[in-house]
Amino acid sequence: EVQLVESGGGLVQPGGSLRLSCAASEFSFATYWMSWVRQAPGKGLEWVANIKQDGGEKYYVDSVKGRFTISRDNSKNSLYLQMNSLRAEDTAVYYCARDGDRNWDHWGQGTLVTVSS
Amino acid sequence: QSALTQPASVSGSPGQSITISCTGTSSDVGGYNYVSWYQQHPGKVPKVVLYGVSSRPSGVSNRFSGSKSGNTASLTISGLQAEDEADYYCASYRSPASWVFGGGTKVTVL
Repeated sequence: EVQLVESGGGLVQPGGSLRLSCAASEFSFATYWMSWVRQAPGKGLEWVANIKQDGGEKYYVDSVKGRFTISRDNSKNSLYLQMNSLRAEDTAVYYCARDGDRNWDHWGQGTLVTVSS
Repeated sequence: QSALTQPASVSGSPGQSITISCTGTSSDVGGYNYVSWYQQHPGKVPKVVLYGVSSRPSGVSNRFSGSKSGNTASLTISGLQAEDEADYYCASYRSPASWVFGGGTKVTVL
């Protein structure tokens, strides 16, 4: 069964940095686009970024451009999200998700990022 | 980047049918057959129930169906059951090169 396990969340001060990781298993990681999707407490879902199989294309929601960087290491079956200049509005559960056929067909359990002083 | 527009809440009695709308623009919903729908129970991970406007993943009940007309996509749940009570989100590709969700709809089974 496809598994996606996020880690790296926690409490960080405004302006700080955090790096999220997502360990993938039980599927051919290198053949899929991958995404990060977040959900602020009590709010809806928001697509954050995605990355092509070889890392050659990366796309971001406007609100994180220039601050967040998505990357992957296919040799380690891992997806990352480097988050810099964090703001209170970045507080959310961050999900790693596999890009299937026009949908996110598998999701991790999420990791909570809290930006607060 | 504005979200797609969904009603905040929809309710129905067991056995009834309900429809949730998802309105966008020609740059997203209307321009591509890339609409998907996600069900999220409280405290749980989202689960895809429809993709490509009207396709159902393996294992999803055929009580879930989808359609699109112009810039509005719809999710219909027929034969409403207690287990269908959840939040539902639509999502679409948005040109150029991004994805957008709807604000979410809370479905209540009366």
